[in-house]
Amino acid sequence: AQSVTQLGSHVSVSEGALVLLRCNYSSSVPPYLFWYVQYPNQGLQLLLKYTTGATLVKGINGFEAEFKKSETSFHLTKPSAHMSDAAEYFCAVSDRGGANNLFFGTGTRLTVIP
Amino acid sequence: DTAVSQTPKYLVTQMGNDKSIKCEQNLGHDTMYWYKQDSKKFLKIMFSYNNKELIINETVPNRFSPKSPDKAHLNLHINSLELGDSAVYFCASSLPGTPWGYTFGSGTRLTVV
Repeated sequence: AQSVTQLGSHVSVSEGALVLLRCNYSSSVPPYLFWYVQYPNQGLQLLLKYTTGATLVKGINGFEAEFKKSETSFHLTKPSAHMSDAAEYFCAVSDRGGANNLFFGTGTRLTVIP
Repeated sequence: DTAVSQTPKYLVTQMGNDKSIKCEQNLGHDTMYWYKQDSKKFLKIMFSYNNKELIINETVPNRFSPKSPDKAHLNLHINSLELGDSAVYFCASSLPGTPWGYTFGSGTRLTVV
């Protein structure tokens, strides 16, 4: 079964600072990779995804992530944090060629300090 | 014109009761899912339905039963509610073969007292 590890359940950054949220997966075959964001009392919104091709993927709200096969990682970054980025972020994976089920990491809560 | 809608948004009920959560999608997707998010924000799949057939059940207690009258609806019925069932339940839908095409509902917060 797929496994996703998000390092750091809480991350705090100052407004304007770099955001780095870490995600590692465990699979011998690189899966599909996703980042979702959940704002308070809301559902999940897809930020970005990696399926194939270019390993640096850009998403909404200025976020991007880089798939590194050698490190089995898919870390999420944003050059400059905004107050509106405060939310819960989930890394998720899905098997290639299997059922469409998403397996989520435990989430990272991002706090942005004014 | 909400793509995936869940009702109710909040549900407070006593232990032992039976309750249902409804989910409807207007995206024409063939596959629908139920996910459970616990108090620590961990999300885990419970069920998925493809063309009205259950295709996965991740060791969920049989008190939980998904019911799909048609491919646009996937309701979640829970019998004999327990305190541990308190969580946020999310419905989602997707096209077959497209895991990146998930659309999530806004969630139902279930509190069992």
